[in-house]
Amino acid sequence: GENVEQHPSTLSVQEGDSAVIKCTYSDSASNYFPWYKQELGKRPQLIIDIRSNVGEKKDQRIAVTLNKTAKHFSLHITETQPEDSAVYFCAAIGVSYNTNAGKSTFGDGTTLTVKP
Amino acid sequence: NAGVTQTPKFQVLKTGQSMTLQCAQDMNHEYMSWYRQDPGMGLRLIHYSVGAGITDQGEVPNGYNVSRSTTEDFPLRLLSAAPSQTSVYFCASSYSVGNEQYFGPGTRLTVT
Repeated sequence: GENVEQHPSTLSVQEGDSAVIKCTYSDSASNYFPWYKQELGKRPQLIIDIRSNVGEKKDQRIAVTLNKTAKHFSLHITETQPEDSAVYFCAAIGVSYNTNAGKSTFGDGTTLTVKP
Repeated sequence: NAGVTQTPKFQVLKTGQSMTLQCAQDMNHEYMSWYRQDPGMGLRLIHYSVGAGITDQGEVPNGYNVSRSTTEDFPLRLLSAAPSQTSVYFCASSYSVGNEQYFGPGTRLTVT
């Protein structure tokens, strides 16, 4: 099955700095890669996603890059703010109608702390 | 729209008891899934469904059953609760596979 590794497990940055979180996946059949933000005691919420036919996607201060050949994708947050402090999860999902279709595998999460 | 709803919010079970966690969505989403989240860990897929009448196993299906008789509802049944099933359970839905998943508020389950 799919295996997703996420690094680092904790990340502390100063307000205004950039933060980068990286994930690698093992199954080349995975072709949808979302990122979720989870605040303490809350449900996960999608912040950005990317599909395998795209190399980069940006939404204001958040961007995601995907390298299909190397099987890794990264989340970039620029100009970090204290409200960005949360746990961030990456995931890999097979969309095509193969043995992995619909199965989502999550990384173990990165706890981001933005210091004022 | 209520989105994705889950009941109950909290539950305490004794070892060996059975129960059903309820999940419903009012967005006419085809894809629904159940995850468990243990402390300090990511979400692990228990079961999922790509449409009414279709279910499949995820990464950690043992000890759990699901059914999908309607588009709206996707209940998760614990057959005989064990302490290892103590966790927070999230239900999620999306328009189809490979689209944004909307999560419910979660059910915190403790098995003693």
